[in-house]
Order: sequence, then C-alpha cells, then structure tokens
Amino acid sequence: AQTVTQSQPEMSVQEAETVTLSCTYDTSESNYYLFWYKQPPSRQMILVIRQEAYKQQNATENRFSVNFQKAAKSFSLKISDSQLGDTAMYFCAFCYFGNEKLTFGTGTRLTIIP
Amino acid sequence: DARVTQTPRDKVTEMGQEVTMRCQPILGHNTVFWYRQTMMQGLELLAYFRNRAPLDDSGMPKDRFSAEMPDATLATLKIQPSEPRDSAVYFCASGWDREETQYFGPGTRLLVL
Repeated sequence: AQTVTQSQPEMSVQEAETVTLSCTYDTSESNYYLFWYKQPPSRQMILVIRQEAYKQQNATENRFSVNFQKAAKSFSLKISDSQLGDTAMYFCAFCYFGNEKLTFGTGTRLTIIP
Repeated sequence: DARVTQTPRDKVTEMGQEVTMRCQPILGHNTVFWYRQTMMQGLELLAYFRNRAPLDDSGMPKDRFSAEMPDATLATLKIQPSEPRDSAVYFCASGWDREETQYFGPGTRLLVL
C-alpha cells in the first residue's frame, strides 16, 4: 500500500517570503497522481495543485509550484510571495491512475507572519 | 461557481441518536467520496461511489454507518446509533473518474455527547 509522509508538522515564514513544504511517498507503481490540498481555519479543503506522474514538467498555479522528483519519490510545494491568506494546513495526497482513492499525509501547519 | 455542498455544517447530538449527513456533488461528477477527519487519525476514507454504485466502504464501521446515493444529486451518510468516538469532521468530495481529482465540500462537524 502507498504511504505519504510529510515530515514538517509546523512551519512559519514572514509574509512575502518563499516557503517550501516537503512530501515523500512510497509506491511501486509508475502511473499515479499527486496533489496538494490546503485547509484554512474555515476547514474547507481546497485543491491547490495537481501533478500527473507521467509528466516531467512541474505543475504551477500562480504563486504555487511543485518540485516533482519521481525517482526520489518526492513532491514538494513551493509558495512564492507568501500572503497571510496562505496560513493553513497543507496536505499532500496520492492516488493511483484509474483508482480515485486518495491517501493523505499528516499535514503541515503553515503560518504566515505579518 | 460549482461547489460540493454539505448539510448540516455543524451537528451536536446525544449518544444513541441517529445522525444523517447530506452531500450534493458537483453537477456532472460521477464519483463521490466520504472522509472523516480527526486529530488522531487524520483524513480517512470511509466510502466511495462511482455512478451511484458503492465501490468501497471498507473504511466504514459496518454496524453503525451506512452510505447511500439515492440519486445522482444526493449522497447520504448515516450513523445509527451515534457514539462519542464518532465526533469528527465529515467531508464529502466529488470528482470525475477520468480526471482523478476530488473537490471537497465544507464538511460537517459532528459532536456526539
């Protein structure tokens, strides 16, 4: 079974700085998807970004980008020009191609300091 | 702006009572998921449906939990009887099986006294 590990329980960074959240996973399959979800204090789970394992190009969404290292099974999230609204729990998640069941990491609590 | 909706947003009940949570998936989505989030266990998949058919409910306590999709616009999760250990936030998510991306509702926070 696949596992997803987020080794940073908490992080904090000054507003406008760049922060990188780490995620590693374990799987023997080659076709899968990776996701980052954000959960602000409102508790809504918001999709931040998605990466298909077969794509070599790293996904980007505005200030959010990933560093996907397939061989190392690493999927980090970089937030540039961080804003107060980025304060949230961030979850890394994995699912196999053709199987929509998500496996989540334990989350990283990110605080943006004014 | 298409969103998954869930009702109620918050629910407080007493042990032994029946609890029903409802979810309206995004129109056109054909997969629906129920998750439970607790501090101790994190996010756990309880059950999921594709085209209204249950595909996997192995994460759900069978004796007290049940999940159904009476139609394509409604999914329900019932707990009967409820217990204090069921206190958690319950999320519904929907997606399209060719995209493998799930969109979450706002969750139902359940407190069983």
